[in-house]
Amino acid sequence: DIQMTQSPSSLSASVGDRVTITCRASQSISSYLNWYQQKPGKAPKLLIYAASSLQSGVPSRFSGSGSGTDFTLTISSLQPEDFATYYCQQSYSTPRYSFGQGTKLEIK
Amino acid sequence: QVQLQESGPGLVKPSQTLSLTCTVSGGSISSGSYYWSWIRQPAGKGLEWIGRIYTSGSTNYNPSLKSRVTISVDTSKNQFSLKLSSVTAADTAVYYCARVRQVPADDYYYYYYMDVWGKGTTVTVSS
Repeated sequence: DIQMTQSPSSLSASVGDRVTITCRASQSISSYLNWYQQKPGKAPKLLIYAASSLQSGVPSRFSGSGSGTDFTLTISSLQPEDFATYYCQQSYSTPRYSFGQGTKLEIK
Repeated sequence: QVQLQESGPGLVKPSQTLSLTCTVSGGSISSGSYYWSWIRQPAGKGLEWIGRIYTSGSTNYNPSLKSRVTISVDTSKNQFSLKLSSVTAADTAVYYCARVRQVPADDYYYYYYMDVWGKGTTVTVSS
């Protein structure tokens, strides 16, 4: 099984900050990596697929990078609506689409 | 646009079978190159992928749940369903259905990602 590990598990930041969340795979997954945002009581929302492709309708302040085992999600300038939990998910090891444990982004 | 809605009992007794349905609206479940998936999330915890189905009926399951899971599709009703047998309290969670989009990565492989999600339904396993 491919294990996905996110860091940090939680993060405090201020509106306007640049934030980076890291996801590491236990083995190479090429660029088969997706990022989701989840707000309390809501379903996850797709932000980034294939490591760096921005989903339609997602603000351009979100970006993804990486390949192999190390990936990052960057929010260039935090907005109030960005405070949420973020999950990475690999789709390399079909059929088990394992998720990272999540990174909770909180207001400082 | 396509919307998904989960439905089913919110309370299931231990050892019984959990049954949920996801209704697809705004588009045909058979159109396009999509898989249809179930994911769950225990309260305060992370996401766990359960399995997926193609409209041909081909399925893939999380190995940790495979012995207890069945996902099926009814194209005439534009629905797909989840059955999880022999449930315990550990199966208490919010259950989501989602559409899985596939796009070519190269000549042989595809990127898969869940681009449309239902709102989720809470299932509690308790006597």
